[in-house]
Amino acid sequence: AQSVTQLGSHVSVSEGALVLLRCNYSSSVPPYLFWYVQYPNQGLQLLLKYTSAATLVKGINGFEAEFKKSETSFHLTKPSAHMSDAAEYFCAVSGNNDMRFGAGTRLTVKP
Amino acid sequence: DAGVIQSPRHEVTEMGQEVTLRCKPISGHNSLFWYRQTMMRGLELLIYFNNNVPIDDSGMPEDRFSAKMPNASFSTLKIQPSEPRDSAVYFCASTERAGGPEDTQYFGPGTRLTVL
Repeated sequence: AQSVTQLGSHVSVSEGALVLLRCNYSSSVPPYLFWYVQYPNQGLQLLLKYTSAATLVKGINGFEAEFKKSETSFHLTKPSAHMSDAAEYFCAVSGNNDMRFGAGTRLTVKP
Repeated sequence: DAGVIQSPRHEVTEMGQEVTLRCKPISGHNSLFWYRQTMMRGLELLIYFNNNVPIDDSGMPEDRFSAKMPNASFSTLKIQPSEPRDSAVYFCASTERAGGPEDTQYFGPGTRLTVL
């Protein structure tokens, strides 16, 4: 069985500040890990995914995430937040045929 | 590609009525997923299909919910009879391969269902 836990349902940063969204996973098989973003009134879009090729994964819009097996973590970062990054972010794990999503973290960016 | 298409985008109905949500996956995709999103419960997987065959429906809340995929380009999620607690946003997603856990899921825009 797989699951993910996202620490912090709401994160607020100032424009230009570092974005750090936390995700820890649990999986009985080698996991595939994903970050998705959801803008208001839209479906989820893939930001990036880890498929064991490289532990540091770069995604769209300047986001990246690092897979740390020892910490069972896959935290999402962006060096400098932009107003357009305000959205809800979901971490997800897939190890078998289905994907399990975290509860989501709502990111607010202050001007 | 047009992406995953869902209809209707919004549905308002009265308790006890039948509701049918529709989904057209991306052409050539072989897996389809139905999710429900609410503030209280987050994003829940209801059912998924591989090559039009239902694989896991353990997330379907109760017998009032049913899903079909008669062909590779169409799926429906039906609620009969509907109840106010079914109010949620329902998403459909598809992946290119059947049973590929590393595959990206492509989501539709969702159907916002309100049951009065």
